This record gives sequence, structure tokens and C-alpha cells, in this order.
Amino acid sequence: AQTVTQSQPEMSVQEAETVTLSCTYDTSESDYYLFWYKQPPSRQMILVIRQEAYKQQNATENRFSVNFQKAAKSFSLKISDSQLGDAAMYFCAYRSLVNAGNNRKLIWGLGTSLAVNP
Amino acid sequence: NAGVTQTPKFRILKIGQSMTLQCTQDMNHNYMYWYRQDPGMGLKLIYYSVGAGITDKGEVPNGYNVSRSTTEDFPLRLELAAPSQTSVYFCASSPGAFGGYTFGSGTRLTVV
Repeated sequence: AQTVTQSQPEMSVQEAETVTLSCTYDTSESDYYLFWYKQPPSRQMILVIRQEAYKQQNATENRFSVNFQKAAKSFSLKISDSQLGDAAMYFCAYRSLVNAGNNRKLIWGLGTSLAVNP
Repeated sequence: NAGVTQTPKFRILKIGQSMTLQCTQDMNHNYMYWYRQDPGMGLKLIYYSVGAGITDKGEVPNGYNVSRSTTEDFPLRLELAAPSQTSVYFCASSPGAFGGYTFGSGTRLTVV
């Protein structure tokens, strides 16, 4: 079974600085999807970025980028020029390409709480 | 452009009561999901649907039921509420099997 591990329960960053959140996963599959979601205090889950495992190029969305190391099964999120509004829980998630039964779900890490200091 | 709408946002139930959590999406997404989020436990899939009339159990379906009579609506029914069902419940939808989810704003349910 696949697992997702976020080893940093809490992180902090100064406003305008860069921070990297770690995520590792375990799978025997060769193709899959990886996601980062943000959950601010408002509780709403927001998709930050998505990466297809078969793509070599790291996904980027404005100030958010990933470092996807497939061999190492690592999927870290880099937030550049951090803003106060980036303060939130960040969740890493895995989705199998097997589209049947209980593979039809995201497997979630336990999250990293990011504080942004002014 | 409402996205995924969940109601209610908060609810307190007494043990043994029943209720329905409503979920509606206006994006014509085929896939819909119900997750619960417990502190320190991550999100767990309760039920999901791949289209109108089709539902299936997730990881933690006991004590819950769902229906999907239309593409837009995916209500979650709690029968005989128990304290173990105290949680935050999220409804989500996606256009296909592998797209990113759009989440509702969640329902905080407390069973006392």
C-alpha cells in the first residue's frame, strides 16, 4: 500500500523569504500523480500544485514550485517570496493511476503547519 | 461560480440522532467524494461516486450512507450518530479520475 510522509509537523519562514516543505512517499507503481494542497485557517482545502510522475519537468505555479525526485520518492514544495497569506497547513497527497476500488482516492500525508512571520 | 457548496458549516448532534450533510457542485464534475478529517489523522475517504447513480465505499464507510441521484448532488447521511463521528467533513469533486479536487468549505460536526 502506498504511504505519504511529511516529516515536518511545523515550519516557519520570514515574510519574503523562501521555504521548502518536505514530502516523501512509498509506492511500487511507476506512474501516479502527486499533489500539494493548502488548508488556511478558513478550513477550505485549496489545490496548490499537481505533478504527473511520468513528467520529468517540475511543476510550477507562480511562487510555488516542486522538486520532484522520482528515484528518491521525494516531492518537496518550495514557496518563494513568502507572504502572510501563505500561512496554512500544507498537505502532500498521492493518487494511483489504477482507477478501481480503493485506489480511487488520494492518500494524504499528515500535513505541515507553516507560519509566516512579518 | 460557486464550486462545491456544503451545508451546514457547523452542527451539534446528540448520540443516536441522524442527519444529512448536503453537497452540491456546479462544475459538472463526474467524480465526487466525502472525506473526514480528524486531528493528527489526515483525511480519510468515506464514500465516493464516479457518476450519477454510482457510489462506492471508501476506507471508513461504517455509520454513513450516500446517494447520487444527480450529477450535482452528493449528500452524506449519518444514521445513529456516535461520538466517534465527531470530525470535520469535506465534500470534494473532480472532473475526472486524476484531476485535482475542488473542495467544499467543510462541516464541523460534534456528537455529544
